[in-house]
Amino acid sequence: EVQLLESGGDLVQPGGSLRLSCAASGFTFSTYTMSWVRQVPGKGLEWISAISASGHSTYFADSVKGRFTMSRDNSKSIVYLQMNSLRAEDTAVYYCAKDLRTNIVVWYFDLWGRGTLVTVSS
Amino acid sequence: DIVLTQSPATLSMSPGETATLSCRASQSVNSHLAWYQQKSGQSPRLLIYDASIRATGIPARFSGSGSGTDFTLTISSLEPEDFAVYYCQQRTNWPRTFGQGTKVEIK
Repeated sequence: EVQLLESGGDLVQPGGSLRLSCAASGFTFSTYTMSWVRQVPGKGLEWISAISASGHSTYFADSVKGRFTMSRDNSKSIVYLQMNSLRAEDTAVYYCAKDLRTNIVVWYFDLWGRGTLVTVSS
Repeated sequence: DIVLTQSPATLSMSPGETATLSCRASQSVNSHLAWYQQKSGQSPRLLIYDASIRATGIPARFSGSGSGTDFTLTISSLEPEDFAVYYCQQRTNWPRTFGQGTKVEIK
């Protein structure tokens, strides 16, 4: 089955760190750019980061640049989001999402996980 | 950042009617715009990309049009499963941005 499964969401204090994982299955993971998109409950969607198929290039929204990093293990079909210096405004459901096209990045997302909730609060 | 403004915020419709949703960009995105559907408690689903191309498995009652700054998603003959929130998204500039969403609710 083609799917993405996120994990790692938790309650964390402001200033803390968390690592999210997204396990992929059912497609050739190593050929797709992967992104993280977050959603404050009841609100809209915010693209925050992406990593190229090879893992050599990463991209970040200004809201998380310098605090979040992204990596992938193509041998395990997993992508990671390392979140440091967390703030209350980072509270959201975090989705990983797959690019529509293989090898050529088009920045449309045709497969989404179910999301994992990150709550930043003291 | 390119701001995508969706209107209306809420659309109250009856099954069988045609829904017309708008997405306006703060600057041209050419035809590099997608539409997603998100049902309550679910993750988003890609409906339309490059303004007018239906994604795999998307019914023909969903259609997209527009270019530049003004885009439309049309849902012909609404089915009960179409009541959801719809988002547009651009891929022209960094960061990739989404509109704030239009909720299509049952009248």
